[in-house]
Amino acid sequence: GDSVTQMEGPVTLSEEAFLTINCTYTATGYPSLFWYVQYPGEGLQLLLKATKADDKGSNKGFEATYRKETTSFHLEKGSVQVSDSAVYFCALSVGRGGADGLTFGKGTHLIIQP
Amino acid sequence: GAGVSQTPSNKVTEKGKYVELRCDPISGHTALYWYRQSLGQGPEFLIYFQGTGAADDSGLPNDRFFAVRPEGSVSTLKIQRTERGDSAVYLCASSSSGRRNEQFFGPGTRLTVL
Repeated sequence: GDSVTQMEGPVTLSEEAFLTINCTYTATGYPSLFWYVQYPGEGLQLLLKATKADDKGSNKGFEATYRKETTSFHLEKGSVQVSDSAVYFCALSVGRGGADGLTFGKGTHLIIQP
Repeated sequence: GAGVSQTPSNKVTEKGKYVELRCDPISGHTALYWYRQSLGQGPEFLIYFQGTGAADDSGLPNDRFFAVRPEGSVSTLKIQRTERGDSAVYLCASSSSGRRNEQFFGPGTRLTVL
């Protein structure tokens, strides 16, 4: 079945450090790929997405590139801020027969220290 | 505008009881999803509605779980004979058409089965 594997947390960085959160996937067909973020006390919200190979999703300084050859969708940011502290979820959707339920990874808790 | 709302925000029940969890999607969204998130895990897909019909219920864990959306708007997730293992946060999401469009998540209902 479809699955998403992302690096275990928590990940602790200093402000202005470079961030990478690894995500790899297994899927039948051609999935769309997503990063969702959950800030403390808030609901899940979409951070960025990519729908086909070599697409780059970007938002709020975060980027991720859909790499079909390595089945990866790693999240990166050049300079993190304290406000980026949150739990990040990588997810995919295959969309078989119109069904678009997301398959999520376990989440990576990111802690940014001032 | 109003986002996805879920009621109650917290529900504590005893083993063996019946519970109903309600989701109000964003107005006009035809697709509605239910997910379950256990502690330390990513959300797990349960069921997807397109309009009034369940397009994919492959994620429901067993026949104690049932969901309805009779008028194509509000949905209710029903759990019979609750078990301690049902304790989790139940998330609802909606999207404008389903096919790989952004899903907007509600704040969730935290269910605790004693």
